[in-house]
Amino acid sequence: ILNVEQSPQSLHVQEGDSTNFTCSFPSSNFYALHWYRWETAKSPEALFVMTLNGDEKKKGQISATLNTKEGYSYLYIKGSQPEDSATYLCAFDIQGAQKLVFGQGTRLTINP
Amino acid sequence: DAEITQSPRHKITETGRQVTLACHQTWNHNNMFWYRQDLGHGLRLIHYSYGVQDTNKGEVSDGYSVSRSNTEDLPLTLESAASSQTSVYFCASSSTRDTYEQYFGPGTRLTVT
Repeated sequence: ILNVEQSPQSLHVQEGDSTNFTCSFPSSNFYALHWYRWETAKSPEALFVMTLNGDEKKKGQISATLNTKEGYSYLYIKGSQPEDSATYLCAFDIQGAQKLVFGQGTRLTINP
Repeated sequence: DAEITQSPRHKITETGRQVTLACHQTWNHNNMFWYRQDLGHGLRLIHYSYGVQDTNKGEVSDGYSVSRSNTEDLPLTLESAASSQTSVYFCASSSTRDTYEQYFGPGTRLTVT
């Protein structure tokens, strides 16, 4: 059974601070790693899909890096704003079949 | 604008009843997926489809079935609802079999009493 681990489970950060969290996944049979942002009472929205070792993606103040050899991805948020409060999910794509295995998420709360 | 919708948004049913949850997308996506979300488990894949007449079992498919008769719809049926199937159900779609992001519907909260 594939295991995708995210840490920490929850995080409280002051507005304006930068933060980061981790997604760990199996390093074998890697195809793609997805990041989603999930706000309360809404549905998950895609942030990034990453496929190449060393890949870096950026959207506004949010960026992500990927290390497929050691099986981890970092998500960074620079200068956190209250609207960044959400649960951030990562998901491992098994062999390109889009059969995503999700981690349990990191719940981020930005304190004004 | 293209979208993905689910109905009903909330449903209460009794143990043993058959229940169907609807999912409809206007993205013209080939791929569609059903997930359930439970505390302590995150999102888990129930069934998925790569196109019309194609359906596949996911990680937690027991007690569920799907059918794909057109591109737009992938209804999820609980053959005989059980209390363990109380959950929030999300439908998602994506454009190809490649590394494309999935677009999620708003979710259906199902309670089995």
